[in-house]
Parts: sequence; C-alpha cells; structure tokens
Amino acid sequence: QKEVEQDPGPLSVPEGAIVSLNCTYSNSAFQYFMWYRQYSRKGPELLMYTYSSGNKEDGRFTAQVDKSSKYISLFIRDSQPSDSATYLCAGFTGGGNKLTFGTGTQLKVEL
Amino acid sequence: GAVVSQHPSRVICKSGTSVKIECRSLDFQATTMFWYRQFPKQSLMLMATSNEGSKATYEQGVEKDKFLINHASLTLSTLTVTSAHPEDSSFYICSAKTGGANTGELFFGEGSRLTVL
Repeated sequence: QKEVEQDPGPLSVPEGAIVSLNCTYSNSAFQYFMWYRQYSRKGPELLMYTYSSGNKEDGRFTAQVDKSSKYISLFIRDSQPSDSATYLCAGFTGGGNKLTFGTGTQLKVEL
Repeated sequence: GAVVSQHPSRVICKSGTSVKIECRSLDFQATTMFWYRQFPKQSLMLMATSNEGSKATYEQGVEKDKFLINHASLTLSTLTVTSAHPEDSSFYICSAKTGGANTGELFFGEGSRLTVL
C-alpha cells in the first residue's frame, strides 16, 4: 500500500464548476499536508499548506484535512481553464526531510 | 513564494556522456536542497538530499556514483548524471526548503527534461 493514495484521473469539469480533489494516506505521523499544482512539463508549485486537521482557505482554494479518517481534500471554486493541471498532494511528518507525494490527479477544466 | 531556478530546462545528449543540471535558490539561502525524478504520469521520487558543505544523502536504490550531487554554496546545488543511458531519460526536479526545519515547505524549480539518445 502506498503511503499516499490519489486517483490519477483525468477529471474533466465544465468551467465554473466546484472541483473536489482527494487523497488518503496511511502514515499516522504526518502532521503537515501540502497541495501542489503542476502544469505540463513544469515543476510543481506550492498551492496550499496546512498543519494538522482543519480547513484553510486561500481565494478560490480550500484545503481540508481530516486526520481521524486520514483524508485530505482540495476544493476549487469557480474553476477556470487555467486551473487545468495535475494536482499533487503530499504529507510530511515534521521530522527529517522527506515529503511523501501522491501520484497526482490530472484536472481538465473545459470551456 | 520563494524562487528556485533550474537550468537547463531541456537537454538531449548521447549515451555515455555526462550531463550537469544546476539548481539555484534566487531570493533565499537554502542549506538543504532536494533532487527528485519524475516519470510520465507518476509521482515525484526523491533521489537525494543535498546539504551545503557536506555529502548528499541518497535514497535507497539511487546510485550515488551515477548521480553526483554537489552543494557548493547556500544558493547552488548541481546534479550530474554520469555516463547517461536511455533509461536515465526523465524529468529531474530540484527543490529547496524555506522556513523552519520541520515545516516541510518546499519550493520547486521548473524541472529539467533529460533525453538520452
């Protein structure tokens, strides 16, 4: 079992839709959770960063962490074609240097 | 966010040659940088942790003599793929950590696509 599981997609939605991206994880020691956006042939870009359980909102993006169920989500409101990318979730224990990434979910927002 | 620059963005080389990829932190000092490898439609795989002024720490299964890492200054780490072969063709991405040691915030370079003919 992978430490971080993520549906690879692709997920296609119409412009303006609310997008829900999800990951599950198995490592109870994860304290920090990140969402990265990666455009084709580019490096990942940090989108959201959360510590422990709870919600965090930044513009059209909301990250949720539920440590009791080991479930993390990213919501995108009013999705735009420019949101089309691969979204990677990651967990981090807080010790050492290693982030554990999911495989990424490919999102396509269509006009 | 912090800026990490990677160069070259794309390189094509012949089998048997060596290729160097540079990773620079432009607006902050990074005592620790990381090198990842990514295959198509797969996740980022950590190859090694690069520490300024000391030897890199390699992940299990990564050949240190194949992938030479040098972190000569607080803003520059280099990855050299030695005697490259077609199976080394991949997307190599560096990252650097800002903030406290335990926060996990990483900022990535743009990536370098290596094609070995």
